[in-house]
Amino acid sequence: RKEVEQDPGPFNVPEGATVAFNCTYSNSASQSFFWYRQDCRKEPKLLMSVYSSGNEDGRFTAQLNRASQYISLLIRDSKLSDSATYLCVVNRPQGGATNKLIFGTGTLLAVQP
Amino acid sequence: EPEVTQTPSHQVTQMGQEVILRCVPISNHLYFYWYRQILGQKVEFLVSFYNNEISEKSEIFDDQFSVERPDGSNFTLKIRSTKLEDSAMYFCASGTASNQPQHFGDGTRLSIL
Repeated sequence: RKEVEQDPGPFNVPEGATVAFNCTYSNSASQSFFWYRQDCRKEPKLLMSVYSSGNEDGRFTAQLNRASQYISLLIRDSKLSDSATYLCVVNRPQGGATNKLIFGTGTLLAVQP
Repeated sequence: EPEVTQTPSHQVTQMGQEVILRCVPISNHLYFYWYRQILGQKVEFLVSFYNNEISEKSEIFDDQFSVERPDGSNFTLKIRSTKLEDSAMYFCASGTASNQPQHFGDGTRLSIL
């Protein structure tokens, strides 16, 4: 089983649509959870951290369910500029000082005019 | 907004040659990382660095790889004898604490001929 699993997509949606991405992780010891976005051939950019209580940033809402080891991202009122690959990212605690991130393969979103 | 900077943006090298990829992390960050992304694949962890030493490394980071923080600002990745399969995008990242988000540079595209 992959450590971080995402639906690869692509998700093709019209402008203004609401789209949801799901992700599952296998390591129950993981403590930090993030959504990054990556444009074609560019670096991953932090979209938001994900907390158990859920968090919202404008049109974006992230949820974490630790019992199910499940993370979600909801984008409301999609814009053309939201077109990108969305990466589910989880830390793998190793007992060391640093925070090794494990990336999902990403879900490609294409917002159509 | 402070950012992680990487040079060069593109490096073309003959197989067997040494390469050094350079990064300037965000100035108040203490945790430093290298990741790579082979074209069409997911982002993979290589190595983390804290308190002037390697904290963790992946199985990819064999004895051909090394990292250094030669002064207070630069963080470098050296590949001693490059192989064709080292061709990838290499991303440097930094963070303020082990469980905080990591911020990525815009990457160095390494092409081995």
